[in-house]
Amino acid sequence: GAGVSQTPSNKVTEKGKYVELRCDPISGHTALYWYRQSLGQGPEFLIYFQGTGAADDSGLPNDRFFAVRPEGSVSTLKIQRTERGDSAVYLCASSLLGGAGEQFFGPGTRLTVL
Amino acid sequence: QQQVKQSPQSLIVQKGGIPIINCAYENTAFDYFPWYQQFPGKGPALLIAIRPDVSEKKEGRFTISFNKSAKQFSLHIMDSQPGDSATYFCAASSGNQFYFGTGTSLTVIP
Repeated sequence: GAGVSQTPSNKVTEKGKYVELRCDPISGHTALYWYRQSLGQGPEFLIYFQGTGAADDSGLPNDRFFAVRPEGSVSTLKIQRTERGDSAVYLCASSLLGGAGEQFFGPGTRLTVL
Repeated sequence: QQQVKQSPQSLIVQKGGIPIINCAYENTAFDYFPWYQQFPGKGPALLIAIRPDVSEKKEGRFTISFNKSAKQFSLHIMDSQPGDSATYFCAASSGNQFYFGTGTSLTVIP
């Protein structure tokens, strides 16, 4: 079966632009997570969805970041007015039920803001 | 502030050696401690995980040792192989919030 997929794999944008990053979780997984991984660092939690709702968005760094999961499957991370400091790999993970269940990570989207 | 502190940053061992990676935490609410393996260009993949009610867990060549009183846990890789060369992350969680260490880059020399 297919794992977690993320598109695009690479995104280069200019400072101030808007970007959308997409995550397709494993079918049937109710929990979905977004993380940001900077070079040489571990993943940093951004937001967690249980079904369609954002159960915990405490990791979003500011109001330029927003994520949706309208039908409880695909999720989109949206970044407005991008800044050079937003450059990182954005990872998505899904889990069957959430909690301490195993998280399956996608390959990530490498975002570069020039 | 870093919720989970990981060391060393990098590690080089000979094939067959036993690399040990250490992590420490402060938040006693953490109740799940997974280890992830990440290859370049890939997302992390779960290796092994432990809960604080046990002191050791072994799966194949990978062992987690857990010291609840010291708030420390470590990963041991027995009979390491060149294919184990990757970056390893420890993590700790409470509920659905996961906190990752900064990673250890392991190189196993043939």
